[in-house]
Amino acid sequence: DVKVTQSSRYLVKRTGEKVFLECVQDMDHENMFWYRQDPGLGLRLIYFSYDVKMKEKGDIPEGYSVSREKKERFSLILESASTNQTSMYLCASSRSDSPLHFGNGTRLTVT
Amino acid sequence: AQKVTQAQTEISVVEKEDVTLDCVYETRDTTYYLFWYKQPPSGELVFLIRRNSFDEQNEISGRYSWNFQKSTSSFNFTITASQVVDSAVYFCALSEWGTSYDKVIFGPGTSLSVIP
Repeated sequence: DVKVTQSSRYLVKRTGEKVFLECVQDMDHENMFWYRQDPGLGLRLIYFSYDVKMKEKGDIPEGYSVSREKKERFSLILESASTNQTSMYLCASSRSDSPLHFGNGTRLTVT
Repeated sequence: AQKVTQAQTEISVVEKEDVTLDCVYETRDTTYYLFWYKQPPSGELVFLIRRNSFDEQNEISGRYSWNFQKSTSSFNFTITASQVVDSAVYFCALSEWGTSYDKVIFGPGTSLSVIP
């Protein structure tokens, strides 16, 4: 079974803090994704990566950056957290031409 | 631009009733995939089905069935004889076909509550 693990289930940070959200997958998938989920908006793609050290902007990249130094790990970075980044963050991975496999999500609150 | 619309925000049904979740999509691509995912209260999205744009055959899997109609750009999902365990948020999604990665566009989701 594919396992996508997000390091934290709940996170509370202060405005202006630098925040790291970590995601690890154990199935050697090429592609990894970060989405945020907000009520009424569904899932919106922040960034994705189709190879180590490669990254592509999704639909809402502003205020975020990512890092993929190893194939199994994809980190989402909030350089200076703001209250409008309070959300559920979902990591996913996939092999080419296969469905996404999701982690359990990280609920981030920025106060 | 690609877009997925799920007009039903919340639905409540009594156990054993049938329920249909609507999904309408927009795309200029001639080849694409359509998906349904389920998000139970635990939070993890679970893949249910993927259809490609060339395959309009309806699909049935146990109590679940899917109706894909290209003419109306719809991909509706029906749960027969609903159960409490079906309570979840359901997402319809769309992606291009033929890229090396799956950039998936999700709809806003429909929250289904099945009341015992």
